Amino acid sequence: QKEVEQDPGPLSVPEGAIVSLNCTYSNSAFQYFMWYRQYSRKGPELLMYTYSSGNKEDGRFTAQVDKSSKYISLFIRDSQPSDSATYLCAMSNNNDMRFGAGTRLTVKP
Amino acid sequence: DADVTQTPRNRITKTGKRIMLECSQTKGHDRMYWYRQDPGLGLRLIYYSFDVKDINKGEISDGYSVSRQAQAKFSLSLESAIPNQTALYFCATSDLRTGDTGELFFGEGSRLTVL
Repeated sequence: QKEVEQDPGPLSVPEGAIVSLNCTYSNSAFQYFMWYRQYSRKGPELLMYTYSSGNKEDGRFTAQVDKSSKYISLFIRDSQPSDSATYLCAMSNNNDMRFGAGTRLTVKP
Repeated sequence: DADVTQTPRNRITKTGKRIMLECSQTKGHDRMYWYRQDPGLGLRLIYYSFDVKDINKGEISDGYSVSRQAQAKFSLSLESAIPNQTALYFCATSDLRTGDTGELFFGEGSRLTVL
């Protein structure tokens, strides 16, 4: 079993849809939970991070962490074609960071 | 100009050849990393360095070596390339303040193909 599981998709939605991206993990020691966005032919960029359990909102993006279930989510409201990218979850504890495989998202106009 | 620059961006080589991928950064960060990205496997850490005199193996260091020539430069070498080292390689940086939170700053990647 991988330490971080993420459905690779691909996921295709119409513009304006609500998108839900998810990851599960097995190591209960993880404390920081991140979402990176990676456009084609580019390096990943940090989108959001959350410390421990809870929700964090930034514009159209909401990150949720449920440590009891070892489950994290990223919601995108009113999705736009510019949101088309690969989204990677990541989690860390004391410099030990693990990434999910990434979910490829396409938002169609 | 990019804050984290990788060269070359693309390289095709043959089995057994020595290859070096170079990374330089202008962010002033102490910490530098090399990752490889494979479809379905995500990003996996090869080596990392917290300062010029510090080198640490990551999850998949076999077949690779690194050199931290200066605070701003971190190179990755494949001494004898093999086909299963075909992948997209990323250099990343972080600083002491944000490193533990997971904020890494990535270069644009070096695509390596080993025939």
